[in-house]
Amino acid sequence: DQQVKQNSPSLSVQEGRISILNCDYTNSMFDYFLWYKKYPAEGPTFLISISSIKDKNEDGRFTVFLNKSAKHLSLHIVPSQPGDSAVYFCAVQGAQKLVFGQGTRLTINP
Amino acid sequence: EPEVTQTPSHQVTQMGQEVILRCVPISNHLYFYWYRQILGQKVEFLVSFYNNEISEKSEIFDDQFSVERPDGSNFTLKIRSTKLEDSAMYFCASRTIAAQQFFGPGTRLTVL
Repeated sequence: DQQVKQNSPSLSVQEGRISILNCDYTNSMFDYFLWYKKYPAEGPTFLISISSIKDKNEDGRFTVFLNKSAKHLSLHIVPSQPGDSAVYFCAVQGAQKLVFGQGTRLTINP
Repeated sequence: EPEVTQTPSHQVTQMGQEVILRCVPISNHLYFYWYRQILGQKVEFLVSFYNNEISEKSEIFDDQFSVERPDGSNFTLKIRSTKLEDSAMYFCASRTIAAQQFFGPGTRLTVL
């Protein structure tokens, strides 16, 4: 079951630069997309979301872009900070549940 | 800020034993969930619960699993006879009518 795919298991970015995390999905019926951040030994923390009627949503340093034709979404973090180092999961909203990607471990280097 | 809480943080049990994982969702939330994450794998949906009944469950959620909301605050996941492959982090989540789910810190279940 690969409905949501994050093809990069890890990403390393220098502090102050832009981090771009990518996510692909297979079902064009999905209409709500979310990004969660997870630190070790903690639960996922909601970061930002976007509905299918939009192609961009911004919240401070975080912007999510949605390309419906390509079934692709991305999360941009700018500028990246050391505290952003974590695992990032994209998720799509199904009828009741969230379907998660495998996650991308982001490391911000000083 | 209100948050989802889970107890215990770590549970060790012998194969074949019953375990109960406990969650206290955010108080005004209406929808409740259990997810799990096996080490190194993705977070997987187990079950959703609304209006005192299961609204959706995954293939993982077989007859060995059950959920209950015994009072106005607790939400529990019971595994009747644990197997080695049940070892995982179990996350409880809750939400209002908005789609955003709030997750608890998780319970690490280790089955020996």
